[in-house]
Amino acid sequence: DAGITQSPRHKVTETGTPVTLRCHQTENHRYMYWYRQDPGHGLRLIHYSYGVKDTDKGEVSDGYSVSRSKTEDFLLTLESATSSQTSVYFCAISELRGRGANYGYTFGSGTRLTVV
Amino acid sequence: RKEVEQDPGPFNVPEGATVAFNCTYSNSASQSFFWYRQDCRKEPKLLMSVYSSGNEDGRFTAQLNRASQYISLLIRDSKLSDSATYLCVAEMTYGGSQGNLIFGKGTKLSVKP
Repeated sequence: DAGITQSPRHKVTETGTPVTLRCHQTENHRYMYWYRQDPGHGLRLIHYSYGVKDTDKGEVSDGYSVSRSKTEDFLLTLESATSSQTSVYFCAISELRGRGANYGYTFGSGTRLTVV
Repeated sequence: RKEVEQDPGPFNVPEGATVAFNCTYSNSASQSFFWYRQDCRKEPKLLMSVYSSGNEDGRFTAQLNRASQYISLLIRDSKLSDSATYLCVAEMTYGGSQGNLIFGKGTKLSVKP
């Protein structure tokens, strides 16, 4: 399996506190993604990165920021956590991206975040 | 209209049965399609890509119908271990997220002894 790890695996935090989730890869893949998964909504893209310091918003980016200072690390920050951000967060990586390419994503094991 | 739509199920089938899942995608310009499998409380894992000519991997067959904009997954001789949620995936083809993958909400399969 591809080398992709997420930390922490579980976290409980209080409303209003900042939270940072980390995704680390050892595959040297160019593209990295943060998704959240909620019942009834499936996987939704939060932010993605197409290189060091190159990031862009996804479908549900409000309340989240990201940073990628090294190829191997992609950080997701909740500036001020809210209960609506209670979710399972998945990081994914891919080597390719774009029209017609066979570029299935590889996912990390996920972070279960609870905001109380 | 949702980008990728699937019947959520659950599909409850006996061992050995053949089961088929369909999903539809909204944008005719999508070029890349996949099926993922997700076990309970685990991450999604790539099951197979879907090619225009159709493709098979053991007991699994994926088909793409561009005219009708639907993707199918056929599982033959179902095993207990096939019980999972199956996610249909298509490429997003517009806006800043062009090239990213859009996931359906998944179809739950339960294979019974």
